[in-house]
Amino acid sequence: GAGVSQSPRYKVAKRGQDVALRCDPISGHVSLFWYQQALGQGPEFLTYFQNEAQLDKSGLPSDRFFAERPEGSVSTLKIQRTQQEDSAVYLCASRYRDNTEAFFGQGTRLTVV
Amino acid sequence: AQSVSQHNHHVILSEAASLELGCNYSYGGTVNLFWYVQYPGQHLQLLLKYFSGDPLVKGIKGFEAEFIKSKFSFNLRKPSVQWSDTAEYFCAVTPLRGGADGLTFGKGTHLIIQP
Repeated sequence: GAGVSQSPRYKVAKRGQDVALRCDPISGHVSLFWYQQALGQGPEFLTYFQNEAQLDKSGLPSDRFFAERPEGSVSTLKIQRTQQEDSAVYLCASRYRDNTEAFFGQGTRLTVV
Repeated sequence: AQSVSQHNHHVILSEAASLELGCNYSYGGTVNLFWYVQYPGQHLQLLLKYFSGDPLVKGIKGFEAEFIKSKFSFNLRKPSVQWSDTAEYFCAVTPLRGGADGLTFGKGTHLIIQP
């Protein structure tokens, strides 16, 4: 597609439920990033992929968060046993290569009730 | 680790007023600098970027920013704002290490333009 696509756009989960958020990057983009944006804050880095390799996961807040990109294109961010503090907008971004512009998706707004 | 500070969290201006949004970063090495904009209900879009060269960078929609290395600053400016500039503005930095670094964002500035 023309841009980065994320699904679902909105997700309401009961506390303790597992969720999976999908990101379709721009075709041909090597790098893929996940960010978490809490209300009133700037996006915070979660993890980074170069092709299928997860090169940096230092931003993942706990071991309940897991991301994968098995074939180097679509990526999934999984959150296990969701907690209220996980409520945020989860943004995905992709870029063609290092030191180029990153393009963002519209995000998935996760609300944990 | 790098960090980004945006001076104003909320700015309210009238149409045709001039705009300057402050951004300072902390990092010991060379960086790439960005301003992103998020219009209501839309995704983050790049306004402008600085990688190297002329420190005065021009972006879309009449925005510009000046990189002042000695001040670790990358302030965003626009001579005359329009109602359609109402949005959230984010300054961001990434180290120029040629590696796998994601963007570090400031907390954002919510800009409201009154007609």
